[in-house]
Amino acid sequence: AQSVTQLDSHVSVSEGTPVLLRCNYSSSYSPSLFWYVQHPNKGLQLLLKYTSAATLVKGINGFEAEFKKSETSFHLTKPSAHMSDAAEYFCVVSGPGGYNKLIFGAGTRLAVHP
Amino acid sequence: EPEVTQTPSHQVTQMGQEVILRCVPISNHLYFYWYRQILGQKVEFLVSFYNNEISEKSEIFDDQFSVERPDGSNFTLKIRSTKLEDSAMYFCASTDTLKPYEQYFGPGTRLTVT
Repeated sequence: AQSVTQLDSHVSVSEGTPVLLRCNYSSSYSPSLFWYVQHPNKGLQLLLKYTSAATLVKGINGFEAEFKKSETSFHLTKPSAHMSDAAEYFCVVSGPGGYNKLIFGAGTRLAVHP
Repeated sequence: EPEVTQTPSHQVTQMGQEVILRCVPISNHLYFYWYRQILGQKVEFLVSFYNNEISEKSEIFDDQFSVERPDGSNFTLKIRSTKLEDSAMYFCASTDTLKPYEQYFGPGTRLTVT
């Protein structure tokens, strides 16, 4: 069985400060891991993915995440938050090989203050 | 940039009625998915569809649900006899054979059952 746990339901940062959204996963085999973002009234957009290649993956809009097998973590970071980063972020796990169902975490709402 | 579209954006129906939620996947995509998110809960996988067949379905996807690709562009989710607990946001997604790990999501249809 696979699951993800997002450790914070809400994160609030000031514009220009670093962002850290935490995610732990559980998987009985090599997982594929993703971060998706959802802006209000928009669909879910893929930020980045880990599929067993480099453990540090870079995504769109300056986000990156590091796959740490020993810690079963896949935390999302960004060096400097922008107001436009305010959204809901989902950590997602899937099985290997592609085309598989996605299993979502509960989401973390990121607020960015001026 | 091509997008997955969904109609309607909001559907209100009475308990026991049938509803059809419509999706237009990205044109060259061959794998299709439905997910739903009940308010305050996680995004949940419902069903995946490839080559005019269901590839995988969750326990939620019981006999009241069905999916169809009636023509070359639409992908539909039918709920035969809606229940109050079917109220949720329903998301359609599609995947390209060249990028099997990337599911592209539509903006969702909010279904309200009264």
